[in-house]
Amino acid sequence: DVKVTQSSRYLVKRTGEKVFLECVQDMDHENMFWYRQDPGLGLRLIYFSYDVKMKEKGDIPEGYSVSREKKERFSLILESASTNQTSMYLCASSPWTSGGTDTQYFGPGTRLTVL
Amino acid sequence: EDQVTQSPEALRLQEGESSSLNCSYTVSGLRGLFWYRQDPGKGPEFLFTLYSAGEEKEKERLKATLTKKESFLHITAPKPEDSATYLCAAVSGGYNKLIFGAGTRLAVHP
Repeated sequence: DVKVTQSSRYLVKRTGEKVFLECVQDMDHENMFWYRQDPGLGLRLIYFSYDVKMKEKGDIPEGYSVSREKKERFSLILESASTNQTSMYLCASSPWTSGGTDTQYFGPGTRLTVL
Repeated sequence: EDQVTQSPEALRLQEGESSSLNCSYTVSGLRGLFWYRQDPGKGPEFLFTLYSAGEEKEKERLKATLTKKESFLHITAPKPEDSATYLCAAVSGGYNKLIFGAGTRLAVHP
């Protein structure tokens, strides 16, 4: 079974703090993704990575950065946390095939509260 | 602009009362349509992928269908354990990028 793990289930931070969210997958997947999920808005893509050290902006990258130094690990960084970044953060991974429609497998999520 | 819309937002059913959830999409060059189930406080769990109009897939009490404009998730004789939020997502373009709908919250009561 594919396993995607996230470093924390719940996190509380102060405005202005630097926040690191970590995601690890154990299936040797090429693609990794970070989403945030807010009520009524669904999942929105923040950043994704299709290879080590490669990254692409998603739909809402402002205020976030990412790092992928190893294939299995994808980190989301909030450089200076703000209250509007309070949300559920979901990491996903998928293999890469030429069709580009591979299933994304999700982690359990991190509920981040910024005070 | 690519968009995925799910309806209804919320649905309450009695146990055994069959119904359908709708996912309509406006996506240029649809490459696949995914359905996920999400329980409260957890990550989405994969259910189905549909690739072309006319395709159907089934799993226990769930059946997903796809047309050129929308997808339906049919739930036959639901049980309370089917209560969850159901998400659909469309793949457009490269890099396996998903566009999600806001979801339908399903509650099945005994």
